[in-house]
Amino acid sequence: GAVVSQHPSRVICKSGTSVKIECRSLDFQATTMFWYRQFPKQSLMLMATSNEGSKATYEQGVEKDKFLINHASLTLSTLTVTSAHPEDSSFYICSAGGAAFYNEQFFGPGTRLTVL
Amino acid sequence: AQKVTQAQTEISVVEKEDVTLDCVYETRDTTYYLFWYKQPPSGELVFLIRRNSFDEQNEISGRYSWNFQKSTSSFNFTITASQVVDSAVYFCALRGASNAGGTSYGKLTFGQGTILTVHP
Repeated sequence: GAVVSQHPSRVICKSGTSVKIECRSLDFQATTMFWYRQFPKQSLMLMATSNEGSKATYEQGVEKDKFLINHASLTLSTLTVTSAHPEDSSFYICSAGGAAFYNEQFFGPGTRLTVL
Repeated sequence: AQKVTQAQTEISVVEKEDVTLDCVYETRDTTYYLFWYKQPPSGELVFLIRRNSFDEQNEISGRYSWNFQKSTSSFNFTITASQVVDSAVYFCALRGASNAGGTSYGKLTFGQGTILTVHP
């Protein structure tokens, strides 16, 4: 199956700093990538849909100025958590899909963010 | 709006027992896709199965089997002869065809998840 990577896998930062998380599709081109957030013992909640070459579509309640998404190429999407605070600590997961994978989404391994 | 309900928050069984994880969904789409994912402690989601709404055949893969019943909007997952390695969180998810294309392509709605613990 297709492979999606995320970097970093784990990050600890101080409150007020910005953190960038990368999501890469390694062996296919992904016109669409999705960013999810998962709090401990909870389900995955979609944050935004990232389309290559256009602005991301954010789900209701997600601050687009807080969570900046860039999908500059068909293999890379980035999520930047700006001015992170302890409540932003969570597990962030991306997934990628492309025209050749109509019904398929491939998930990255996730990034665990801890804001001190 | 789409909704997926996994009523069982946690299930605990002893190894070799059979266990069924329930999933009930709601959607207005006539064409949709249902998924099951496993999330072990590492956090990475593992894809288990995808089923489209026109295919109501049950499926068996080794110790895993799935029962799709459109009439009751359910897509239950059974593990036969459970093993300790089956311990994980299991998510049922739904994707409606009306989301295909446009900016909502591939959008998945997840259930709350069921924590399965298999004791030796």
